[in-house]
Parts: sequence; structure tokens; C-alpha cells
Amino acid sequence: SQTIHQWPATLVQPVGSPLSLECTVEGTSNPNLYWYRQAAGRGLQLLFYSVGIGQISSEVPQNLSASRPQDRQFILSSKKLLLSDSGFYLCAWTHSGTVISPLHFGNGTRLTVT
Amino acid sequence: EDQVTQSPEALRLQEGESSSLNCSYTVSGLRGLFWYRQDPGKGPEFLFTLYSAGEEKEKERLKATLTKKESFLHITAPKPEDSATYLCAVQAGWRGSTLGRLYFGRGTQLTVWP
Repeated sequence: SQTIHQWPATLVQPVGSPLSLECTVEGTSNPNLYWYRQAAGRGLQLLFYSVGIGQISSEVPQNLSASRPQDRQFILSSKKLLLSDSGFYLCAWTHSGTVISPLHFGNGTRLTVT
Repeated sequence: EDQVTQSPEALRLQEGESSSLNCSYTVSGLRGLFWYRQDPGKGPEFLFTLYSAGEEKEKERLKATLTKKESFLHITAPKPEDSATYLCAVQAGWRGSTLGRLYFGRGTQLTVWP
């Protein structure tokens, strides 16, 4: 069966510091990978998605970037965090090759920028 | 303008008191509708996929139904452990992308008290 790992679970970082959140998927090959941010009362916002190694699509301009160095690894980064980057970050995957496939989420990272 | 609207925003039920959650959508070109359960501090957990009007899916005390413009999540004789936020998401065609576009509702926070 497939599993998704996301870490760390919580993170407190000062403004201006760098960020690296990591996500890995096990039990499947060539998944589509996603980064979402969830803000209270505002729902889920898609940040980035990837259909393959080195292929990143950005949904909204922001202070963040994403990379996919390996087939089942997805990284969310920032060079300098802003207060507005605080939130709950979720990594997710879907099967590739199928048009309709539900997202499967990790357990998220609660990021607080101070 | 929200493409997916969930109601009510919050619902409190006594244990055993059945009810329904609503998810209405205005997107065209529906490919699939997904229901998720999210516990506090966790990532959303996939529950159901519905593909076409008239379809129904069941899992324990939950039953999801789909019409042309809305979906219902019926909860029969709920228990306190059913307390969670329930999210609805609609996948529609988008710009020829094989991934389509996924629209999330803001969720219904369900509390079941003993």
C-alpha cells in the first residue's frame, strides 16, 4: 500500500530565515505531487504541483519554491520567510496516468513564522 | 466567487441524531467529486469519489450521494468519533490539462456530543 511521509510536523522559524519542508511517497511510481497551504476559514490553496522529476508548476506567485529531485520526493523551500508564510502546509499525491484520482494527503506541517 | 460551497459551516449533533451535509458546485465539466474527513492538526483523509449524478457510496455510518449540482454526505446515527471537518472537492476539466482543476469547499465542522 502507498504511504506519504511529511516532516517536520511543527516548525517555528524567525522572519528572514530559510525554509525546507520535505515529503516522500512510498509504494507507487511516478506519482503526481502537490503542495497545498491551508489557512483557517479559507480552505485549501494549491501552491505547486509536479508530474515528474524536475517538472514544477506554480499556481500562485509567492515567496516559496518547490523542487522534485527524485521521483517520490517533493520539497518546499523559501530563502527568506515572511510572517504571511505562516500556515498549515500539506503535501499530497495522486496516481499518474489516470484522469480522475483522489488526492492522498500527508499529515501536514504547522509553520509559525515569528 | 466560490466554485464549491459547503453548508452548514458548523453542525452540532447529539449522538444518534442523523443529518446531512451539503456540497453544491457551479463548476462545469465535472470529472469527479471527492469527500474527505479532516481531524484537527491532521491532513485530510480520503473518503469517497463520486463520478456521475445518481451515484451513491457508503462507508460505515456515512453515505455520499451526487446530483447534477450538489452532493450530500448523510451521517446515520453518528457517534462522537465522527466529529471532524468534512471537506468536499470537485475536479473539473481545465485548459486541456490531464490533471484537471480541483476546487475545494471550506468544509463543515461536525461535532457529535454524547
